[in-house]
Amino acid sequence: DARVTQTPRHKVTEMGQEVTMRCQPILGHNTVFWYRQTMMQGLELLAYFRNRAPLDDSGMPKDRFSAEMPDATLATLKIQPSEPRDSAVYFCASGSTRVYTEAFFGQGTRLTVV
Amino acid sequence: ILNVEQSPQSLHVQEGDSTNFTCSFPSSNFYALHWYRWETAKSPEALFVMTLNGDEKKKGRISATLNTKEGYSYLYIKGSQPEDSATYLCAFRESGGSYIPTFGRGTSLIVHP
Repeated sequence: DARVTQTPRHKVTEMGQEVTMRCQPILGHNTVFWYRQTMMQGLELLAYFRNRAPLDDSGMPKDRFSAEMPDATLATLKIQPSEPRDSAVYFCASGSTRVYTEAFFGQGTRLTVV
Repeated sequence: ILNVEQSPQSLHVQEGDSTNFTCSFPSSNFYALHWYRWETAKSPEALFVMTLNGDEKKKGRISATLNTKEGYSYLYIKGSQPEDSATYLCAFRESGGSYIPTFGRGTSLIVHP
């Protein structure tokens, strides 16, 4: 049963610390999305990769957030330094551009910055 | 920024009621429209992908229609059950660009026994 795997599922950290969230997309998918769930914005797009290349990170605060895909099996989202306002659930999703494929979501990482 | 709106924001119905909600999206450069079901403490799961004007999709008691010319899609649930309680998201994908899904904020459905 193919699925998107996100780690950690929960993270509590102190303000100022670095946070790294990881995502393993479904094998064979060539697109990866990072979304943040907030009360105000709903699902907010942070970053989009196609064939490992970052195509859109306009929704990401550049001063503290960074997203990378070091290889086809791993996507990372880093926050440095973290702030309390970053507290949210972060979702990774993968999909394919080859057909009208929907995005498959991971279980999310619930981040709390205190 | 693409404008994808869903209404109503939330909905409370009684078990057995039929219900429907709306997703509005840009009427130009249409590529696809996705519907997702998102249960609390879980991740969104795909219900339908709709690609052609006039599309109608059905899965059990849930169905959806698509009008790309006027930019809306309806999701219908017939005979709602408590297990249908979830947030229903639509996501619009635009052609000629990156095909990134832009999500609406969802309709939260609560079905009371």
